[in-house]
Amino acid sequence: QVKLVESGGGVVQPGKSLRLSCAASGFTFSNTGMHWVRQAPGKGLEWVAVISFNGGHKVYADSVKGRFTMSRDTSNNTLYLQMNSLRAEDTAVYYCAKNDDVRDGLIDYWGQGTLVTVSS
Amino acid sequence: AIQLTQSPSSLSASVGDRVTITCRASQGVSSALAWYQQKPGKAPELLIYDVFNLKSGVPSRFSGYMSGTDFTLAISSLQPEDFATYYCQHFTIYPLTFGQGTRLEIK
Repeated sequence: QVKLVESGGGVVQPGKSLRLSCAASGFTFSNTGMHWVRQAPGKGLEWVAVISFNGGHKVYADSVKGRFTMSRDTSNNTLYLQMNSLRAEDTAVYYCAKNDDVRDGLIDYWGQGTLVTVSS
Repeated sequence: AIQLTQSPSSLSASVGDRVTITCRASQGVSSALAWYQQKPGKAPELLIYDVFNLKSGVPSRFSGYMSGTDFTLAISSLQPEDFATYYCQHFTIYPLTFGQGTRLEIK
């Protein structure tokens, strides 16, 4: 079965950096696009970024463009999100999510999320 | 970016009721529309994709349909486990966007 396990969240000061990881299993990671989606406390879902199956194509939300970088390591089935110049408004639970095998942009599985708190 | 507006924002209903949630797109999204269910403290789960296709394992009391740029999630005969927040999402083009959510509460 598909399993996505995020890690790396925590409390960080504004302007600092943090790297999230997502360990994937139960599907062919090297053939699948992946997403990050976040949810601020008590708020709705906000799509953050997507990376293609081979890492050759990435798209970011305007709110994180130039500050966040998504990458993947097929050798250990891990997805990453490098977050730089963090702001208070980046405080959220960050979900790693799997793209559907056929439909680009359709998210069919989600991890349990990791909380990032940006605060001084 | 395509905006998705859900209505209502919250809804109170009883076990056994039929409810509908609407999602209106700011422009055409063809049939690239999905619905997710999220329970408190949990990750969202995919319910419906391509407007009306149920993900495997989703009960048949859930259904989806569209009329132009208006999309509807219907739940017939509410069960206790259905009380949750529901989100629509388009996957026509990037950036992906979600509706603001509809919280379904027990009356």
